[in-house]
This record gives sequence, structure tokens and C-alpha cells, in this order.
Amino acid sequence: DAGVIQSPRHEVTEMGQEVTLRCKPISGHNSLFWYRQTMMRGLELLIYFNNNVPIDDSGMPEDRFSAKMPNASFSTLKIQPSEPRDSAVYFCASTGGGGRDTEAFFGQGTRLTVV
Amino acid sequence: QKEVEQNSGPLSVPEGAIASLNCTYSDRGSQSFFWYRQYSGKSPELIMFIYSNGDKEDGRFTAQLNKASQYVSLLIRDSQPSDSATYLCAVQGLYNFNKFYFGSGTKLNVKP
Repeated sequence: DAGVIQSPRHEVTEMGQEVTLRCKPISGHNSLFWYRQTMMRGLELLIYFNNNVPIDDSGMPEDRFSAKMPNASFSTLKIQPSEPRDSAVYFCASTGGGGRDTEAFFGQGTRLTVV
Repeated sequence: QKEVEQNSGPLSVPEGAIASLNCTYSDRGSQSFFWYRQYSGKSPELIMFIYSNGDKEDGRFTAQLNKASQYVSLLIRDSQPSDSATYLCAVQGLYNFNKFYFGSGTKLNVKP
């Protein structure tokens, strides 16, 4: 398996523009996570899906952020409108099984810069 | 209070020494604990997990868990420059095994 695939790897956009980040989880995994990582706040869980259904979006910072998972092999995280403080690395991760030794597999991340 | 706390470091050790990384967690009922390694500019990758009190060894790595004191540690024996990275502690959700709480990570520098 190619692992968790994220696109784009880097995104530079102007404040106010819409940004869409994409993720393809590992085939067969039933849970998908979106994380944001910054120096100040570390790795923060934004939202996670189980079997394509959003389970916990309490980490989504504002209404400007939205996430969808239309099917088991694709998810998007959208920021509209984007702001400079949204600049961070956004990771997507997926897991399967759900037992107490569940390993989260991370994508390579999308480095977002909002200017 | 954050669910998982780590000292941000950096922790500097000479090559060949033992590196000790620590993590505390707030939810006494937490069951499973994970150590991830993240090289600069890369994504986190799992090193090992532990869910029983005591020690768990895997090669040069030993995870230690003390549920009474609510801390988990990672020991790296015979540290190598290639071990230089940020180490993230993660705690699995008590009621939801799919929810992980990550610490902010400890940066480790192993000097040749």
C-alpha cells in the first residue's frame, strides 16, 4: 500500500482565499483524522471520521474550517476564508482495527502558508 | 490542563548515552500509550506502544509505564545521531480507541 496520501504537499495562498486539502487514507482503514501542527500548539486533532461519518469535530477552530468524507477513500479539509494564523502543517492520518494497540498512519502533510 | 504534557526540550545527549524522554497524562483511566518519532519536515511514525504497567523493550528502545503516577517514559540506549528527532507521546482515548491525544513533543539532539 502507498500509505496515506495527501495533496498538495505545499500550498501558498493569499488571505481570504479558499484552501482545500485532500487526503486518501490507507485502503481498508475505517477511521480518518485531520491534525494541525504548529510550533506553538503542537499536534492538534481537528476532526475525525469513523466509517465516513464525522464523529468528533470539537477541535475545528472556527466555522471557516469544514471537512468532508464522501467515501471511504477520500476526504477534504477546507478553509474559507483563509487567514495568516491558519499557516501550519496539516496532517491526515488513518487507522484500522480500533483496538487498544491501534497505530495511526500519517500522510506526509500539507504545509500551508497564508500570506 | 492539556491531556498530555511533555518537556519541549531540546534534550541533548552524547552519542552512546541513554536518552530519557518523559510524558505525563491527565486522564487516570487512559489505557494505551504510544511513542511516535518525527524527523524534521517529516510525518510522525510509530516507535512503540505500551498498555501494561512496567517496561516494554524493543531493540534499543524501552517504554516504561506507571499508571499510578500517570507517566510514561521512553529510554533510548546507545543513542545515535540518527535518533535526533522530536518524540511525541500519545494517549489513546479512554472510551474511544480511535481518539489520540498527542503531547507537543520533546526534541532530542544526539551529538556525535
